[in-house]
Amino acid sequence: EAGVTQFPSHSVIEKGQTVTLRCDPISGHDNLYWYRRVMGKEIKFLLHFVKESKQDESGMPNNRFLAERTGGTYSTLKVQPAELEDSGVYFCASSRGSSERIQYFGAGTRLSVL
Amino acid sequence: AQSVSQHNHHVILSEAASLELGCNYSYGGTVNLFWYVQYPGQHLQLLLKYFSGDPLVKGIKGFEAEFIKSKFSFNLRKPSVQWSDTAEYFCAVNPLSGGYNKLIFGAGTRLAVHP
Repeated sequence: EAGVTQFPSHSVIEKGQTVTLRCDPISGHDNLYWYRRVMGKEIKFLLHFVKESKQDESGMPNNRFLAERTGGTYSTLKVQPAELEDSGVYFCASSRGSSERIQYFGAGTRLSVL
Repeated sequence: AQSVSQHNHHVILSEAASLELGCNYSYGGTVNLFWYVQYPGQHLQLLLKYFSGDPLVKGIKGFEAEFIKSKFSFNLRKPSVQWSDTAEYFCAVNPLSGGYNKLIFGAGTRLAVHP
């Protein structure tokens, strides 16, 4: 069984540019989460999808961030326009159903905004 | 606000030394508790979890953790570390309220084990 995959593994962009991160969850997992870790601090929750619906987006920092999960499969997280403080590692995780409390994580995308 | 505190940011040990990493959380309700590990260049992996029952839980690779409800703690232990345990360790809490399933993480502890 393939794990959670994220693409790209590393992205370097300039301030003001747009970047789109992609996450493919484990097949059959309805729940998909995005997290972010900035500069060695704690990993912080961004949002949670159940299938294609946003269950909880309380962690999204501002309206420059847009997450989608069309069709309830893979998800994208777009940052537009990127700012310096958006640099960090973006993690995606998935879990099976509403009663499944274990989240399986991808390797993360390291975003560097210059 | 709900938070998780990991007491040590960096720990350096020699092989065969014992390990204890502290984790405290601030949430008064029922929680699920996790320790994740990230080995260099790899993804976050679940080390062990506590949902209910016996507060002493055993995980992979000889790790164990003890949930002490009165102290809001979930400390990670290993009696004898190996060089291969060099990694970053994250404590995480899932507050069971509101139907949400987000994890609240501590800042992580980097463990370096010297041969």
